[in-house]
Amino acid sequence: IAGITQAPTSQILAAGRRMTLRCTQDMRHNAMYWYRQDLGLGLRLIHYSNTAGTTGKGEVPDGYSVSRANTDDFPLTLASAVPSQTSVYFCASSVSPTGTDTQYFGPGTRLTVL
Amino acid sequence: DQQVKQNSPSLSVQEGRISILNCDYTNSMFDYFLWYKKYPAEGPTFLISISSIKDKNEDGRFTVFLNKSAKHLSLHIVPSQPGDSAVYFCAASFGNEKLTFGTGTRLTIIP
Repeated sequence: IAGITQAPTSQILAAGRRMTLRCTQDMRHNAMYWYRQDLGLGLRLIHYSNTAGTTGKGEVPDGYSVSRANTDDFPLTLASAVPSQTSVYFCASSVSPTGTDTQYFGPGTRLTVL
Repeated sequence: DQQVKQNSPSLSVQEGRISILNCDYTNSMFDYFLWYKKYPAEGPTFLISISSIKDKNEDGRFTVFLNKSAKHLSLHIVPSQPGDSAVYFCAASFGNEKLTFGTGTRLTIIP
């Protein structure tokens, strides 16, 4: 069982370019999440999806969009990347969308926007 | 406004001794707390949790203590081992709200 996979592992991107970070889970979890990790700021929620077909905004959604067309995939798109979006991005999933349910994280994507 | 704070960015502890990681929160609505552990180049993994109806939860070498009146929780690791070197995040939630994570503490176990 792979759990959660993310692609790419790392990426250097010119400012203004469009980028999609991919996330796939094979655990049939209902809820999925995107976080960014920045030094001194911890993990901050960007967007989430409680179930396929629904999405919601987290703490820092500006500049990002997501879609959840099916249970397994939850891509994160940066429409026009800016340097402040340089970060490590983690995708996660959980059986249910409540905060008490354990979240399982992918290995992360390190994104650098120049 | 950081609702969950880990005021120590880093901590070094001798192997075999106790590691104590601290976490403070400001939102009195939080009623469920978790600790996640993260190794370099990996995603965080769940470590231990505690509900606000308890003040202590133990799992092997890991114990989490909750002091609701002080809005403070701590993670104790006894005895500390080199494999415990990692970044530790505390997180909190209530009701159907999503998790709020702290800023993380990097623990280094010195052999």
